[in-house]
Amino acid sequence: EIVMTQSPATLSVSPGERATLSCRASQSVSINLAWYQQKPGQAPRLLIYGASTRATGIPARFTGSGSGTEFTLTISSLQSEDFADYYCQQYNKWPPLTFGGGTKVEIK
Amino acid sequence: EVQLVESGGGLVQPGGSLRLSCAASGFTFSSSWMHWVRQAPGKGLVWVSRINGDGSSTSYADSVKGRFTISRDNAKNTLYLQMNSLRAEDTAVYYCARTTTFAVVIFDYWGQGTLVTVSS
Repeated sequence: EIVMTQSPATLSVSPGERATLSCRASQSVSINLAWYQQKPGQAPRLLIYGASTRATGIPARFTGSGSGTEFTLTISSLQSEDFADYYCQQYNKWPPLTFGGGTKVEIK
Repeated sequence: EVQLVESGGGLVQPGGSLRLSCAASGFTFSSSWMHWVRQAPGKGLVWVSRINGDGSSTSYADSVKGRFTISRDNAKNTLYLQMNSLRAEDTAVYYCARTTTFAVVIFDYWGQGTLVTVSS
């Protein structure tokens, strides 16, 4: 099973600032990585797939990068609606599909 | 508009059974792989199971293998998860999720979830 590790667990950021979230895989997943956003009481929403491709309707301030075992989600200028939990998911080798433990982006 | 609506959650005693349903609309259900993903209270997302479009192929997480069964009724546009021998650690919100048209393991639409609580 591929283990996904996200850091930090919590990120405190002021509105308008940049947020950088990390995701590490226990073995290479190539670029078979997705990012999801989840707000309290809501279902997750697909942000990024293929490590760097934005899903339909996702603003350009969300940027995914990386390959192999190291990945980054960058939110260039945090808006109020961006404060949420973020999860990475690998789909290179499955079953099982595996998610990271999540990063909570909170208002500083 | 794609819609996924889960139902069937509730309180069940350890060792009990429950069947979850996910009613789908707004897309060609029979063409889509479908998955169940769960989230324990305050915890992260955990993949549970998947089924292909015609129901002929399934996969499960080790933690539920032999206890849970995923199925679908394409005539009713409905996905199911039969959960037997439930344990306290199965307590979670269960989401059904549709996969994208270009990759059967990327989730582009999710339901709102149904809460399953296993407790005596």
